Amino acid sequence: NAGVMQNPRHLVRRRGQEARLRCSPMKGHSHVYWYRQLPEEGLKFMVYLQKENIIDESGMPKERFSAEFPKEGPSILRIQQVVRGDSAAYFCASSRPPSGGGYSTDTQYFGPGTRLTVL
Amino acid sequence: SQKIEQNSEALNIQEGKTATLTCNYTNYSPAYLQWYRQDPGRGPVFLLLIRENEKEKRKERLKVTFDTTLKQSLFHITASQPADSATYLCALGGLGGGADGLTFGKGTHLIIQP
Repeated sequence: NAGVMQNPRHLVRRRGQEARLRCSPMKGHSHVYWYRQLPEEGLKFMVYLQKENIIDESGMPKERFSAEFPKEGPSILRIQQVVRGDSAAYFCASSRPPSGGGYSTDTQYFGPGTRLTVL
Repeated sequence: SQKIEQNSEALNIQEGKTATLTCNYTNYSPAYLQWYRQDPGRGPVFLLLIRENEKEKRKERLKVTFDTTLKQSLFHITASQPADSATYLCALGGLGGGADGLTFGKGTHLIIQP
């Protein structure tokens, strides 16, 4: 039973380029979360998605960042026109749908992360 | 203001002893709290979840307590081993009607010395 998969594991971009980070949730999981971890900082929530829906993007920067989770395929976190301050580890987590319906979730299982370096 | 505080200094414990890590929070009302382990260069690994109506949870050598009056969780590792050395993260959940992510502390670096 494969865990959460993320690729690439390491990504190097020059300022102004685009970065695309991919996340495949665990089998049976339909909820995906993206987090960012800056050096010496805690994990910060960015966005929460279900298939074809963004549920909560309150932690996502308003510009240059977008996320999607299509009906088929992995979830994608896209960063346009990257700047040096975007250098960080980006983690994806997934969880099962809540048993009682609604959006409440509990245990989130994390992938290995993508380490983005902007030169 | 809202804060989650974990021991900022590294915690050095002798092998075989019990390690106790603290997570304090202010101005949050979590429905549940989770503890994760993170090794350098890797993603967080889920350890335990405790809900607001639970006082204590155990799993093998791990024990978590949750005091919603004190706004504190304690994480214990008994019979500690050098392999337990890692950063341990506290995370609050169920903060915003359910449709939200986890809010993490910065973590405590635990070192178990042989």
